[in-house]
Amino acid sequence: EIVLTQSPATLSLSPGERATLSCRASQSVSRYLAWYQQKPGQAPRLLIYDASNRATGIPARFSGSGSGRDFTLIITNLEPEDFAVYYCQQRSHWPLTFGGGTKVEIK
Amino acid sequence: QVQLVESGGGVVQPGGSLRLSCAASGFSFSNSGMHWVRQAPGKGLEWVAIVWYHGTNKYYADSVQGRFTISRDNSKNTLYLQMNSLRPEDTAIYYCARDLGDSGSYGSLDYWGQGTLVTVSS
Repeated sequence: EIVLTQSPATLSLSPGERATLSCRASQSVSRYLAWYQQKPGQAPRLLIYDASNRATGIPARFSGSGSGRDFTLIITNLEPEDFAVYYCQQRSHWPLTFGGGTKVEIK
Repeated sequence: QVQLVESGGGVVQPGGSLRLSCAASGFSFSNSGMHWVRQAPGKGLEWVAIVWYHGTNKYYADSVQGRFTISRDNSKNTLYLQMNSLRPEDTAIYYCARDLGDSGSYGSLDYWGQGTLVTVSS
């Protein structure tokens, strides 16, 4: 199965700063990578699909890029509600797999 | 609006069985692939299974293959997960989620329920 490695595990930032999250796949997943946000006690929410497409209702401060094995989620101008855990997920090969997550916390 | 409501979770002994349900509304359930995803306490997300819109094609994670069965009743707009031979490591919140694509399996999950907790313990 494809292993997704997210880095860093924790990112400590202040509101208004820019967050850069990485996801590396153990083999190429083309552009078939999604990003999800999860807040404590809540279900995950789809942010980005197919590397760079924002899901319905997702603000423009969230952007995704990458292809092959390396992907990036950027959150510009962090809002208080953006502090959460972020997961990447690939749909290139069965089984679907998720990364271990990056926690974006308030510095 | 899209709503997914899971039920059926609870405490079960190792080796026992449980059936989860997910009631869907606000979209064309019979045209959507559906997934189960789980999350052990304090851990990350683990994809469990998918069923195509017609209910015929299914895929499972290796960790549940042969023990869990995903199914659906399009006349009731309901998704199911039959879990047999449960193990302590199956303890998790189980989420149902809608597949992003039309009809088939796209593999991105665009709407999620709030989850139901399954605890496997003696």
